[in-house]
Amino acid sequence: QKEVEQDPGPLSVPEGAIVSLNCTYSNSAFQYFMWYRQYSRKGPELLMYTYSSGNKEDGRFTAQVDKSSKYISLFIRDSQPSDSATYLCAMSDRGAQKLVFGQGTRLTINP
Amino acid sequence: DAGVTQSPTHLIKTRGQQVTLRCSPKSGHDTVSWYQQALGQGPQFIFQYYEEEERQRGNFPDRFSGHQFPNYSSELNVNALLLGDSALYLCASRENRAGNTIYFGEGSWLTVV
Repeated sequence: QKEVEQDPGPLSVPEGAIVSLNCTYSNSAFQYFMWYRQYSRKGPELLMYTYSSGNKEDGRFTAQVDKSSKYISLFIRDSQPSDSATYLCAMSDRGAQKLVFGQGTRLTINP
Repeated sequence: DAGVTQSPTHLIKTRGQQVTLRCSPKSGHDTVSWYQQALGQGPQFIFQYYEEEERQRGNFPDRFSGHQFPNYSSELNVNALLLGDSALYLCASRENRAGNTIYFGEGSWLTVV
């Protein structure tokens, strides 16, 4: 069993829809949770960073962490075609040490 | 402010050869990590360097080695290349004392033929 599980998709939604992306994990020591966006053939770009449980909002993006369920989510409101990319969840047991990534979910927003 | 920069961006090597990839961290960052990302997969941690020493290592064979220089830049070396080493190699940097966020470069695409 992988430490971090992420549905690879692909996920295709119409422009303006609310997108929900999720990851589950097995290592209860994880405390730091991140979402990265990766455009085709580019490096990952940090979107959201969360420590421990709770919600964090930044513009159209909301990250949620539920440590009791070992489940994290990223919500994208009013999705745009420019949001089309692969979204990677990542986590670590100590701040900014070794990151363990999910497989990535490929998202397409259709105009 | 330059972010994490990597070179070369693309390269093709023959099985059995050796390759060196280079990374300059984001300004103010002193800790560098390397990741391997196979097509359709998430990045896998190779190792991390801080104060010119390897601090943490992932599940990669000794064919993968690295170095960090006094100016915090880093190199990744891979010996005896295998076809399965074909991947995007990503460098990431952070500030050790204060930084809890990791920034990635655009990567080096390695194809082994």
